[in-house]
Amino acid sequence: GQNIDQPTEMTATEGAIVQINCTYQTSGFNGLFWYQQHAGEAPTFLSYNVLDGLEEKGRFSSFLSRSKGYSYLLLKELQMKDSASYLCAVDYGGATNKLIFGTGTLLAVQP
Amino acid sequence: GAVVSQHPSWVICKSGTSVKIECRSLDFQATTMFWYRQFPKQSLMLMATSNEGSKATYEQGVEKDKFLINHASLTLSTLTVTSAHPEDSSFYICSAAGTGVTEAFFGQGTRLTVV
Repeated sequence: GQNIDQPTEMTATEGAIVQINCTYQTSGFNGLFWYQQHAGEAPTFLSYNVLDGLEEKGRFSSFLSRSKGYSYLLLKELQMKDSASYLCAVDYGGATNKLIFGTGTLLAVQP
Repeated sequence: GAVVSQHPSWVICKSGTSVKIECRSLDFQATTMFWYRQFPKQSLMLMATSNEGSKATYEQGVEKDKFLINHASLTLSTLTVTSAHPEDSSFYICSAAGTGVTEAFFGQGTRLTVV
């Protein structure tokens, strides 16, 4: 079966750094996505990893280790507007972009 | 990024009626569209995958006769919730992917409330 695990909730302070972990066990692997989702809205794309290593994009970075089935999203210089759910999703094969989502991590940024 | 438009953004319907949700790719040809459902405080669950011109592939546990999907063109897919019941109340989101595109783009989502 397919399984993706993320912490349910996290709290961090404005200006700090937070790391959100994701572990996965899937029947196939084409790549891993991170999305941000504010309540009542659709997810917005943050990052995509297909090879091992770190991808950096501004305040957001994402890391992947395929051998360990592990990824993390790193958010730097946290802002209040970063309070949202962060979804880890794996493209597990078959049709491209067929994603299985983790349960999401609800991040609360406090002053 | 590419634009995917989903309509309506929210809808309230009576139990037993049917509701149609549209998903359009505005600036690219979507060879594949995906329909997800999200209950409060839960993650997105894939309901079905549709390819233009062919029948949709439904995930296990999703009733194909209740959730009718049509992908008649490269820019439009529709999801019809037939004989809706209160337990069908949810947030429905589509995403669209095209040839050679790394990521799928999401529509804005549709909040369905069945009363």
